[in-house]
Amino acid sequence: DQQVKQNSPSLSVQEGRISILNCDYTNSMFDYFLWYKKYPAEGPTFLISISSIKDKNEDGRFTVFLNKSAKHLSLHIVPSQPGDSAVYFCAAYSGGYQKVTFGTGTKLQVIP
Amino acid sequence: DTGVSQDPRHKITKRGQNVTFRCDPISEHNRLYWYRQTLGQGPEFLTYFQNEAQLEKSRLLSDRFSAERPKGSFSTLEIQRTEQGDSAMYLCASTIIKGDKINNEQFFGPGTRLTVL
Repeated sequence: DQQVKQNSPSLSVQEGRISILNCDYTNSMFDYFLWYKKYPAEGPTFLISISSIKDKNEDGRFTVFLNKSAKHLSLHIVPSQPGDSAVYFCAAYSGGYQKVTFGTGTKLQVIP
Repeated sequence: DTGVSQDPRHKITKRGQNVTFRCDPISEHNRLYWYRQTLGQGPEFLTYFQNEAQLEKSRLLSDRFSAERPKGSFSTLEIQRTEQGDSAMYLCASTIIKGDKINNEQFFGPGTRLTVL
């Protein structure tokens, strides 16, 4: 039962353009959503999060949008840089469950 | 370096052998998680500790798996009688919980890659 889904396994974007990574979830009990970035041979690193009471959170080039009615969130990276090339995991958290559920990841390639 | 460390980084073992992995979290972090990640998947929750207490175990954690955090600092994950299906990356993460305030950001270690032949 995949409660957090990232339907695009990969994405290629030109440097300087916008990257949009999408994520869908099924569990309405999730109250926090996170994005992690992972480089090869390293553990995931936290990127940005959003509470379920908000619909947008911005941090520099990274913005996360949450649409609760659609159970959908997205990560926007603008402008995209070659160093952003990595696997991005969407994750969701419920205080009631005390654990984080991860999606399957989207591999982003930013082409110089 | 004050991040999460894991040892070993790689482990190759034969089916049926026992293996043990170690995780050293960030020193002030009181919560520690273990995850397993296989190719093409995201990290899957295995278990977590609040200080030395193991509070939840996933159904993925069969009886062959055991985890400890004896003094509320480092943790070990042991797999007994390894099977080829245990081959995966085992990730450890830590965070700090203060009262009711939960820091949802987990800090991950580099992982231990297990290969069972």
